[in-house]
Amino acid sequence: NAGVTQTPKFRVLKTGQSMTLLCAQDMNHEYMYWYRQDPGMGLRLIHYSVGEGTTAKGEVPDGYNVSRLKKQNFLLGLESAAPSQTSVYFCASRPSGGVGTGELFFGEGSRLTVL
Amino acid sequence: QKEVEQDPGPLSVPEGAIVSLNCTYSNSAFQYFMWYRQYSRKGPELLMYTYSSGNKEDGRFTAQVDKSSKYISLFIRDSQPSDSATYLCAMSYQGGSEKLVFGKGMKLTVNP
Repeated sequence: NAGVTQTPKFRVLKTGQSMTLLCAQDMNHEYMYWYRQDPGMGLRLIHYSVGEGTTAKGEVPDGYNVSRLKKQNFLLGLESAAPSQTSVYFCASRPSGGVGTGELFFGEGSRLTVL
Repeated sequence: QKEVEQDPGPLSVPEGAIVSLNCTYSNSAFQYFMWYRQYSRKGPELLMYTYSSGNKEDGRFTAQVDKSSKYISLFIRDSQPSDSATYLCAMSYQGGSEKLVFGKGMKLTVNP
C-alpha cells in the first residue's frame, strides 16, 4: 500500500519553463490538497479538491493550476515558472468522512528549484 | 495577526528532558486541534488530535487545549533522539471546513 506518491521528487527548472507535478493516492480518498512549504512560512495551501472533477483555490494559488480528472490523481501545473516558486511541494489526501478530524496523509514532497 | 502563531525555534534539549511546544490562535471558531510531526525530508504525519478543550495522552505525548486562552500545547516526556523533528500545530473549523490552518512548525533536536 503506497499511500500518497508524488512525482518527480526533485526538479530544476529555468525561469519561464513549465512543468507538472503528479500526486497519486491509492486510499480512495475524496479530498486532495497541494501545499508548499518554505522556511519561516510553514505549510501554505495552494489548491485543493473535494472530489473528482472539482478544484478550489487555497491561500496562495497564483501561478499554479490544478486538475483532478481521476479520483486518485491530483496534478499541479506551473505554466511559467518563477524563482519565487522554488519550494518543497507536498500533496495530501483525506477521506470525506470525519470532516474536521484533520488527518491528512502526506506524500514525501517534491523539491523544485527555479533558476 | 495570523490565525495561528507558533514559535519556529529551533529548540535543543538533552535526552530525557520534558519538552513543551505551544501554539496560539486568534479565531475562536477553531474546534479541532492537531499536532503533526515531520522528519527531515519527509511529509508531515499526524501525531495527536484533540476536539475542543481538554487533555489527551498517548504514551509519552500529551496534547492540551485551552480554548479560553486560545492556546494549545504538546508535551513530550522522557524525550528521545528519535523525537528530533519539526512539530506543526494545525487547526480546523467545525461544519464542513475542508482546510487546516497550520502553524509554521517548531524544529526540535533531542541530543543523546
